[in-house]
Amino acid sequence: GENVEQHPSTLSVQEGDSAVIKCTYSDSASNYFPWYKQELGKRPQLIIDIRSNVGEKKDQRIAVTLNKTAKHFSLHITETQPEDSAVYFCAVQGGGADGLTFGKGTHLIIQP
Amino acid sequence: DAGVIQSPRHEVTEMGQEVTLRCKPISGHDYLFWYRQTMMRGLELLIYFNNNVPIDDSGMPEDRFSAKMPNASFSTLKIQPSEPRDSAVYFCASSLGGVGIKQFFGPGTRLTVL
Repeated sequence: GENVEQHPSTLSVQEGDSAVIKCTYSDSASNYFPWYKQELGKRPQLIIDIRSNVGEKKDQRIAVTLNKTAKHFSLHITETQPEDSAVYFCAVQGGGADGLTFGKGTHLIIQP
Repeated sequence: DAGVIQSPRHEVTEMGQEVTLRCKPISGHDYLFWYRQTMMRGLELLIYFNNNVPIDDSGMPEDRFSAKMPNASFSTLKIQPSEPRDSAVYFCASSLGGVGIKQFFGPGTRLTVL
């Protein structure tokens, strides 16, 4: 089955700085790569996604890049704000499977 | 739209008891997913349905777990008998379409088995 590795597990950045979270996956047939944000005690919320025919996608302060050859994708958050503090999960879908395979999550801490 | 609805939001039960978790997907969605979240294992897919038919239950941990979707607006996940290691947050999600389509998560059910 699909294997998704996510790094780092914890990331602490100063408010206003950028944060980068990276994920690798194993199944080259995967073709959909969403990122979810989960605040404490809440449900995962989709913040951005990318499909395998696109290399980069941006939405205001958030961007995702995809390298299908290397089988890795990254989440970039610029100008971080206190409300960005949460756990972020990458996920992978495709290759005949409709369910999502999640990374283990990154706890992002924004230091004031 | 009310979004994905799950009940109960919290469940505390004793080992050996039967537990039933319920989910109402977003109206019109044709895919329904059950996920489990624990500190040790993270978020993992248990089973999913397409048009009320179970497609992949390879994530169901063992025979104590079963899931049904009798109609397009209701699904249940049952654990019988429950064990302390089943303690987790169980999320239901739905989508209109399969691969490449956004999945909307419900608020989750926090299950504690004593």
